[in-house]
Amino acid sequence: AQTVTQSQPEMSVQEAETVTLSCTYDTSENNYYLFWYKQPPSRQMILVIRQEAYKQQNATENRFSVNFQKAAKSFSLKISDSQLGDTAMYFCAFMRNDMRFGAGTRLTVKP
Amino acid sequence: DVKVTQSSRYLVKRTGEKVFLECVQDMDHENMFWYRQDPGLGLRLIYFSYDVKMKEKGDIPEGYSVSREKKERFSLILESASTNQTSMYLCASTPSLGTSGNTGELFFGEGSRLTVL
Repeated sequence: AQTVTQSQPEMSVQEAETVTLSCTYDTSENNYYLFWYKQPPSRQMILVIRQEAYKQQNATENRFSVNFQKAAKSFSLKISDSQLGDTAMYFCAFMRNDMRFGAGTRLTVKP
Repeated sequence: DVKVTQSSRYLVKRTGEKVFLECVQDMDHENMFWYRQDPGLGLRLIYFSYDVKMKEKGDIPEGYSVSREKKERFSLILESASTNQTSMYLCASTPSLGTSGNTGELFFGEGSRLTVL
């Protein structure tokens, strides 16, 4: 089974600064999807950004961007101009036939 | 908007009780999933289903079973609840990957927090 590793249990960043969350995964597949989900304190999971493995171009959604390194099996999330509302748990996820998640990174944005 | 509804937000049960967690989605999705979420462990896949009456074990199926008699409903069953099953349970759905326009995104319910005493 595929595994997803997030090595940073907790991180903090000052408002308006940039922060990068790390994620690595293990798979023998060539075609798959990668995701970052956000879970605010209200606990509803929200999709932040997605990346298709066959696309070399890194996905971007407003202040959120990824650095996808397929050979290294690395998928980091960069949040620019951090806002207080970005405070949440962030989960990296891998999808082939099912969806597997990492353990999560708790991000705190400080005013 | 896609809506995934979990029947109970909070449940308190006794050890040995049979527990049913219900999940209903309104977007005709083929795939449905049950996860449990624990601090420091993230989301762990219990079971998933590709279609009606079909089910696949995830990483931690022991102590759980599932039922999918109708496409929109996916039930998680704890045959005999134990204290180590105290957790947050999340249901999710998504169209099959072959579906036109499918982004692979999972749509989640709000979660069911189960406490087993």
